[in-house]
Amino acid sequence: GQQLNQSPQSMFIQEGEDVSMNCTSSSIFNTWLWYKQDPGEGPVLLIALYKAGELTSNGRLTAQFGITRKDSFLNISASIPSDVGIYFCAGHSKETSGSRLTFGEGTQLTVNP
Amino acid sequence: DGGITQSPKYLFRKEGQNVTLSCEQNLNHDAMYWYRQDPGQGLRLIYYSQIVNDFQKGDIAEGYSVSREKKESFPLTVTSAQKNPTAFYLCASSRGMINIQYFGAGTRLSVL
Repeated sequence: GQQLNQSPQSMFIQEGEDVSMNCTSSSIFNTWLWYKQDPGEGPVLLIALYKAGELTSNGRLTAQFGITRKDSFLNISASIPSDVGIYFCAGHSKETSGSRLTFGEGTQLTVNP
Repeated sequence: DGGITQSPKYLFRKEGQNVTLSCEQNLNHDAMYWYRQDPGQGLRLIYYSQIVNDFQKGDIAEGYSVSREKKESFPLTVTSAQKNPTAFYLCASSRGMINIQYFGAGTRLSVL
């Protein structure tokens, strides 16, 4: 089946630093999604990407849909303590997985004040 | 407010007992999903339903059962056959061709 490799698994950074994480897939996706999960809560959608090459921002967050349609990147600029949490990527291909999403394993982000 | 409501937030199960987790949505979404999350791990799909009165097994359906009698509701039963039920359970819903899933706040299940 489809697999998503998300890296890094964890990051420990200082407040104010920029952060980058990425996901790569063994197959093509038509949609890429990025979620954030706070401890003890459900994931919340951050950014949705629908087209190869698309670059979308949401405040300090920027995500890109890779040209090959097999990867996506999320950048966080000028990190703050409330950025702490787990970030998940998810890909969707209606042709190969119907309504199912394929999730990455998550990137645990820790921000030191 | 529109959203997905999971209850209870915390649940305890005794040995040999079945327990049911509730998931209700008022987003008018057609599809609903149940995921299991273990510490430090990603989301694993248990069951999903694309329309009322129909559902499909996900990747780890053994020991679980679901029903979809109403569009708004998709309860998950953790049966006694699930030998390692301790986990965080997440319900999600989505609508339309582009499958953006929206999640509830989760239920944490523990075994007594």
